[in-house]
Amino acid sequence: NAGVTQTPKFQVLKTGQSMTLQCAQDMNHNSMYWYRQDPGMGLRLIYYSASEGTTDKGEVPNGYNVSRLNKREFSLRLESAAPSQTSVYFCASSERVLYGYTFGSGTRLTVV
Amino acid sequence: KNQVEQSPQSLIILEGKNCTLQCNYTVSPFSNLRWYKQDTGRGPVSLTIMTFSENTKSNGRYTATLDADTKQSSLHITASQLSDSASYICVVFGSSNTGKLIFGQGTTLQVKP
Repeated sequence: NAGVTQTPKFQVLKTGQSMTLQCAQDMNHNSMYWYRQDPGMGLRLIYYSASEGTTDKGEVPNGYNVSRLNKREFSLRLESAAPSQTSVYFCASSERVLYGYTFGSGTRLTVV
Repeated sequence: KNQVEQSPQSLIILEGKNCTLQCNYTVSPFSNLRWYKQDTGRGPVSLTIMTFSENTKSNGRYTATLDADTKQSSLHITASQLSDSASYICVVFGSSNTGKLIFGQGTTLQVKP
């Protein structure tokens, strides 16, 4: 089915390790986003890419970097994982920033 | 401060009953308001999107209302089904050039047989 694909679905990291979360969409959307979801809190924006070639910080960018590899792919990198980054990470895309978002199924990350 | 508050935090109803979820927001300027359904272990799925000029929008058994004057929205679910058990998230889009949605914490609905 068309949509947003995230990999991996689950990951356990040790403190200080690095990893990249992958996201790809096949809807030809211009804008892509990375969110984190923590218990009792609404989703919070980490980074977004309004269009290919651009990236901007969201509400909680510290400890993360992103790459808009091409129009389809938007990756999130944790350079040195910390327990505070234990969360569920969602990638989303939209045709434009005002339009409806399509979310991926999430990556559940645990940092020990 | 831009905020979206939802109530109740959780709700249990019997299958076949109706329910209404509430959303109050202080986001300004306001562009649109969205309701999402999030099943356990899945990403949010859009139910409705309303601009400030729209009062009501329906999607099957889901009906969202918006009062832009009082900055309140509600999501009414009619004839609930077991598959309606999920978290329902109210999201307000406050700015057209930053891509920043303000998410509520969600209301967890459990429908029991």
